[in-house]
Amino acid sequence: EAGVTQFPSHSVIEKGQTVTLRCDPISGHDNLYWYRRVMGKEIKFLLHFVKESKQDESGMPNNRFLAERTGGTYSTLKVQPAELEDSGVYFCASSQEGLGSSYNEQFFGPGTRLTVL
Amino acid sequence: AQTVTQSQPEMSVQEAETVTLSCTYDTSENNYYLFWYKQPPSRQMILVIRQEAYKQQNATENRFSVNFQKAAKSFSLKISDSQLGDTAMYFCAFFPLNDMRFGAGTRLTVKP
Repeated sequence: EAGVTQFPSHSVIEKGQTVTLRCDPISGHDNLYWYRRVMGKEIKFLLHFVKESKQDESGMPNNRFLAERTGGTYSTLKVQPAELEDSGVYFCASSQEGLGSSYNEQFFGPGTRLTVL
Repeated sequence: AQTVTQSQPEMSVQEAETVTLSCTYDTSENNYYLFWYKQPPSRQMILVIRQEAYKQQNATENRFSVNFQKAAKSFSLKISDSQLGDTAMYFCAFFPLNDMRFGAGTRLTVKP
């Protein structure tokens, strides 16, 4: 079974440019999460999709970040325009549908390392 | 605020020895899950072990075990008989309601 995949693995862009990160979850997983780790700091939650709907986007830093999950399959995270502080590793994770407040294991992708110069 | 603190940015251990990574968290929730994730160099993050807060018994997975102290909000990871393949970043994580909270990570190096 294929795991969570992310593209690209690395991206180097200049301040002010636009970058789009993609995440393909494990097939059949309704839950999709985006996280970000800025160098040396904790991994922070960005948002959570249940199928195509945004369940929780409380972690999105500002309106330069736009996440979509059309059709409830893969998701994209666009940063426009990118700023220096956006540099970090962006992780995606997916899990099966949970029952109530139960937890289903989140499977992580390898991450996309974004460098904004 | 619900936070996770890993106070050891880096640790090292000799192969075959035992090492303990510390983690504390802060929450007002009573029901939650705790996890340790491992991210080997240039590889994906994988789940090492998980603990449900309502269970008093500490979780174990082969050489990995936890010391869960709910009152103290402490969740340490013990790795016994350390192997070279255990070299990785280790993240403590906490799942109170709908999203995961992570610590800053501990970089563990197992030395031959």
